[in-house]
Amino acid sequence: SAVISQKPSRDICQRGTSLTIQCQVDSQVTMMFWYRQQPGQSLTLIATANQGSEATYESGFVIDKFPISRPNLTFSTLTVSNMSPEDSSIYLCSVLAGVETQYFGPGTRLLVL
Amino acid sequence: SQQGEEDPQALSIQEGENATMNCSYKTSINNLQWYRQNSGRGLVHLILIRSNEREKHSGRLRVTLDTSKKSSSLLITASRAADTASYFCATGGEYGNKLVFGAGTILRVKS
Repeated sequence: SAVISQKPSRDICQRGTSLTIQCQVDSQVTMMFWYRQQPGQSLTLIATANQGSEATYESGFVIDKFPISRPNLTFSTLTVSNMSPEDSSIYLCSVLAGVETQYFGPGTRLLVL
Repeated sequence: SQQGEEDPQALSIQEGENATMNCSYKTSINNLQWYRQNSGRGLVHLILIRSNEREKHSGRLRVTLDTSKKSSSLLITASRAADTASYFCATGGEYGNKLVFGAGTILRVKS
């Protein structure tokens, strides 16, 4: 398994601002992912963070709203841009360990006022 | 659309009882995974069962998979208050494919 940390663990932000969430892994991993969990809902994949190239976004998610960086094999950031109350969610990063299992970070709980 | 649908949506039991959660999915799979989430925090990976397996155990957890019915169940035996959490099934994830999560079951274990 992998040990994953996220910063911040939670934040309260004003609408129209942006927040960058960091994800750090204790070992090099080939694949990192960002998920969103809206209140009372299940998880939805936002994008796959690719090292050295642009992230791959799922339908309904765009780079302008959720820019992602992946400068190396242990670190990634997700920015939630121009936030609105609808962006209030838990944001989780995950990594693929081996070929089958994804492990998740502790999540970032975001509230937008 | 969600791959997995889970039932029940919520389950409340007494400590010491067994808890069973079910998950159904729509397309063929290579594996199915179960995760636990405590109080809206990160997900903890519980168990993975491959499509050629029918049953798997891990401590007090027992997972079954019926590919003919496209369904899986998670049994937690001798439940504890600390088992109170949301439980999600998920399909996919292998080789970097995206995980598709079910709606989840909220389990409350009363002491």
